[in-house]
Amino acid sequence: QVQLQESGPGLVEPSQTLSLSCTVAGDSISSGNYYWSWIRQPAGKGLEWIGRTSGSATYYNSSLKSRVSISVDTSKNQFSLKLSSVTAADTAVYYCARGFTLARNWFDPWGQGTLVTVSS
Amino acid sequence: QSVLTQPPSVSAAPGQQVAISCSGSSSNIENNHVSWYQQLPGTAPKLLIYEDNKRPSGIPDRFSGSKSGTSATLGITGLQTGDEADYYCGTWDSSLNSYVFGAGTKVTVL
Repeated sequence: QVQLQESGPGLVEPSQTLSLSCTVAGDSISSGNYYWSWIRQPAGKGLEWIGRTSGSATYYNSSLKSRVSISVDTSKNQFSLKLSSVTAADTAVYYCARGFTLARNWFDPWGQGTLVTVSS
Repeated sequence: QSVLTQPPSVSAAPGQQVAISCSGSSSNIENNHVSWYQQLPGTAPKLLIYEDNKRPSGIPDRFSGSKSGTSATLGITGLQTGDEADYYCGTWDSSLNSYVFGAGTKVTVL
């Protein structure tokens, strides 16, 4: 059974960089069989895909591309998100999930999510 | 503004059925598989339907998916109070080069 767990600071100051990690259990990120994604959800709002990585290739939502970086640490079986120059609009629950490829364009499973608040 | 359009809410009595629509375009739904996600209050989304109409292991057959042209539909029969949740459709958009979600539909069991 594959499980994902997000971790990182719950509070980030405006203009700083948000950094989160996702630890994967039950699957190997380095297998190359899947992409691994970050998705966020502001309170009371819908889902927004942030980006995905396979380790060797990484793609981002164009609306966030200038501020986002996703990387992989195969030794820890983790992938990480960095979002720079954050504002209050970046306050959201951040989820990591396994997925997607164009052939298998769905996300499963998801982590439980972690709330990140941008505030001074 | 989501590129996939869903009704904000639907409701029905226990035991009844509901249908949730997801309307898109040729750059997303018409040429890519659609998936559906259930988000119970305070929890992470869970995959409900993938590749338009397939159910992952453990998802009851009360949930079904279909697609025609630029629209997809999630059906729920035998509605239960435990089905009260937000439901999201999602797919790849080849014009945006991005995965896109609908804004979500809240299902209320009366």
